[in-house]
Amino acid sequence: AQSVAQPEDQVNVAEGNPLTVKCTYSVSGNPYLFWYVQYPNRGLQFLLKYITGDNLVKGSYGFEAEFNKSQTSFHLKKPSALVSDSALYFCAVRDTSRGSTLGRLYFGRGTQLTVWP
Amino acid sequence: DAGVTQSPTHLIKTRGQQVTLRCSPKSGHDTVSWYQQALGQGPQFIFQYYEEEERQRGNFPDRFSGHQFPNYSSELNVNALLLGDSALYLCASSLGGAYPSYEQYFGPGTRLTVT
Repeated sequence: AQSVAQPEDQVNVAEGNPLTVKCTYSVSGNPYLFWYVQYPNRGLQFLLKYITGDNLVKGSYGFEAEFNKSQTSFHLKKPSALVSDSALYFCAVRDTSRGSTLGRLYFGRGTQLTVWP
Repeated sequence: DAGVTQSPTHLIKTRGQQVTLRCSPKSGHDTVSWYQQALGQGPQFIFQYYEEEERQRGNFPDRFSGHQFPNYSSELNVNALLLGDSALYLCASSLGGAYPSYEQYFGPGTRLTVT
């Protein structure tokens, strides 16, 4: 069975400092991994994905994520946080057992990121 | 380039009633997935439609049903509403077929409140 764990409900960081939002996953095949961000009363916005290749993937708004197969982790990072980064972040894994064409996403519970000035 | 759109934005229903939510996928996308996001939780997969057929289904009762139209838009129907059905309902679109996209793009959601 596929699953995602986000061990921290909340992450607080000062503006200008680096941030990390943690994610670990469990899949039966090769993982397709994603990060989404949700602002209040809004849908989810796609940030970045890992499908294959380089373990460090770069995404929107200066975010990046590091895929670590041995630790089954896919942590989201940003070198210098902004107050506007404050939002709810979701890690997700895609089920590839039915091929790459179709596949539901399994989400973590989310991590609330707060960046203070 | 139009993104994913959903209607209505908000909806208030009474227990036992039925509701229909609508979704138009991002331009060029042909696959629609529906998710339920309860307060304080991550989205939970309801089902996915491709080529007008339900292709995958999550752990939701038969009260939840859907449809996909030839123009790829989709509806989510929920019958016999329960208080526990109160949630944000998200539609996501992607591209299937021979050259699929991997990520799904989400609409703004429909906030359903059951009283």
